[in-house]
Amino acid sequence: EVQLVESGGGLVQPGGSLRLSCAASGFTFSTYWMHWVRQAPGKGLVWVSRINSDGTSTSYADSVKGRFTISRDNAKNTLYLQMNSLRAEDTAVYYCARGVTVATISPCVYWGQGALVTVSS
Amino acid sequence: EIVLTQSPGTLSLSPGERATLSCRASQSVSSSYLAWYQQKPGQAPRLLIYGASTRATGIPDRFSGGGSGTDFTLTISRLEPEDFAVYYCQQYVTLPLTFGGGTTVEIK
Repeated sequence: EVQLVESGGGLVQPGGSLRLSCAASGFTFSTYWMHWVRQAPGKGLVWVSRINSDGTSTSYADSVKGRFTISRDNAKNTLYLQMNSLRAEDTAVYYCARGVTVATISPCVYWGQGALVTVSS
Repeated sequence: EIVLTQSPGTLSLSPGERATLSCRASQSVSSSYLAWYQQKPGQAPRLLIYGASTRATGIPDRFSGGGSGTDFTLTISRLEPEDFAVYYCQQYVTLPLTFGGGTTVEIK
């Protein structure tokens, strides 16, 4: 059974940093592109970032570019999102997600339960 | 950036009725790389349709997708009580990947 479990969320002050982790199991993690998607309270889904299977290619939404870094450790079957210079508008539930197939172009079929990040003083 | 506009914002229908949701893109979505998701309160999104018209594994056949280019639709042929939720479209081919704003299907 495919499982994605996020951790590392919490309350952080504006300008602070936080690192989210997503532990993957039930599939060959090292062969799939992975994504982070966020959802502000009461709002819609927003794609944040993606990373290829070996970690050599990354992409970001403009709103987080230069502040967030996606990475992965295939030996630990874990995806990360390092978030720096956090702003109030980064407050959201952050989901990690996996594609349907190992192809680059694939929608997200498996999602974690989400990790809540709250940026507030 | 490809902007996806979903309409209507809210659809009020009764169980057993047909629901038709629209997703319009600001530019053509290459090779129909368009997906639909369902989300219920407190839950992660659930993939329903990808490639504009292919049902994901385990999705009932009352859900169907269609369209190409800039205009896409999700149809629920006969609403079941568990179908009342928020639905999002997503284009997953052109960076940045984008979602529509969502359509809420509520019980009339």
